[in-house]
Formats: sequence, C-alpha cells, structure tokens
Amino acid sequence: GIQVEQSPPDLILQEGANSTLRCNFSDSVNNLQWFHQNPWGQLINLFYIPSGTKQNGRLSATTVATERYSLLYISSSQTTDSGVYFCAVTGGGNKLTFGTGTQLKVEL
Amino acid sequence: DSGVTQTPKHLITATGQRVTLRCSPRSGDLSVYWYQQSLDQGLQFLIQYYNGEERAKGNILERFSAQQFPDLHSELNLSSLELGDSALYFCASSVGARPEQFFGPGTRLTVL
Repeated sequence: GIQVEQSPPDLILQEGANSTLRCNFSDSVNNLQWFHQNPWGQLINLFYIPSGTKQNGRLSATTVATERYSLLYISSSQTTDSGVYFCAVTGGGNKLTFGTGTQLKVEL
Repeated sequence: DSGVTQTPKHLITATGQRVTLRCSPRSGDLSVYWYQQSLDQGLQFLIQYYNGEERAKGNILERFSAQQFPDLHSELNLSSLELGDSALYFCASSVGARPEQFFGPGTRLTVL
C-alpha cells in the first residue's frame, strides 16, 4: 500500500517562530489532507489539498503531486498550535493512510 | 465542530466484554469511515460504509463489526475485548463526490 512519511517527528518552537512540516508519499494520490490533533485528541481538518497551494490565516499548504510531497507552513506560531500534525492520503479507494505525525510544541 | 458526532466520549470496560460505539455523519454525507488510533499502531483505517453498504475493509479484527443504518448513522461493535483494544476510535464522513473526510471527536476506549 501507499507509504506516508512525515518530518520532522518532533519540533519545539518559540512563540512567534515559523516552521515547515513535510509529508512525502510513495504513490500518486487523489486526496491529501492535513490535520491537527489537539491535546484533547480531536482531529481538526486543516487543508484538503491533493495539489496546489492554499492558505488559511497563519497556515498555508502546498502539494506538488508530481514530486509526491506536501508542505505545511505555520507562521507566527502560538501556543495553541501545539499538538500533532498529520498528513493523510488516499491512493485508489477512499481509505486514508496516515503518516506518523509531527509533534509540535510551541513555548512562550 | 466538524458536524460528525460520536457517542460515548469515554468508555471503560473489562476484558471479555462487548461495547458499541455510535457515529452520526454530517448532514448529507453518505460515507462513514471508522479509524483506530493506538499508541503502537498509529491511526489505522478499519472499515468504510457507503449508503448502508460495506465499501472497503482495512485491518479490522474479526471480533469487530460495523453497520450503517437507513438513517446513515453507523455503529462499531467490539466484542471479546482485550487490553490491546484500548484506543481512540474515530468516525469520519464524506460526501460521495469529494473524498475529503471530516472526523468526529472520537471515543476513548479503555479496557481494564
């Protein structure tokens, strides 16, 4: 099946810093989503982005489908950005395959 | 709020017992998915239903079963529970044409 790798696995930032999270996938995809799992365990949709670039406030994402990677940019990070960021993809079919996540901690 | 609801939020039970987790999809969504998140396996797809019919199966144990009812809500039944079944169980839903999935808040199952 399709493989999803995320980097870095862990990231500690000072409040106000910017960061880039990466997601590599092993095959062509028809869906790519970024999620934020908050400390209470909720999975929050950030982006549906099988290709192209999108922005939502301080977050933006880019997927280069031909090169099989996606990037999530977080600017001016805040403590509320802490949690785990997951990339998930579907190849053929609709089941999402998740990466192992990037654990982000934003400190004051 | 994604619009997907799950009950109960927390469930504590004993080994060997059976439990039922319930999910209501977003209004208008025909597909329902179940995922399990455990410490050692990460987030894994269990099963998908589309408009009442099973559509895809992942690494779902034989002790687990699911169904989707005519009103489109879904139930995941877990039986002969083992300590290793302790996990966060998520339900997600999507509209048929667009594959974006929206997740419910999850049910945290603890098996003692």
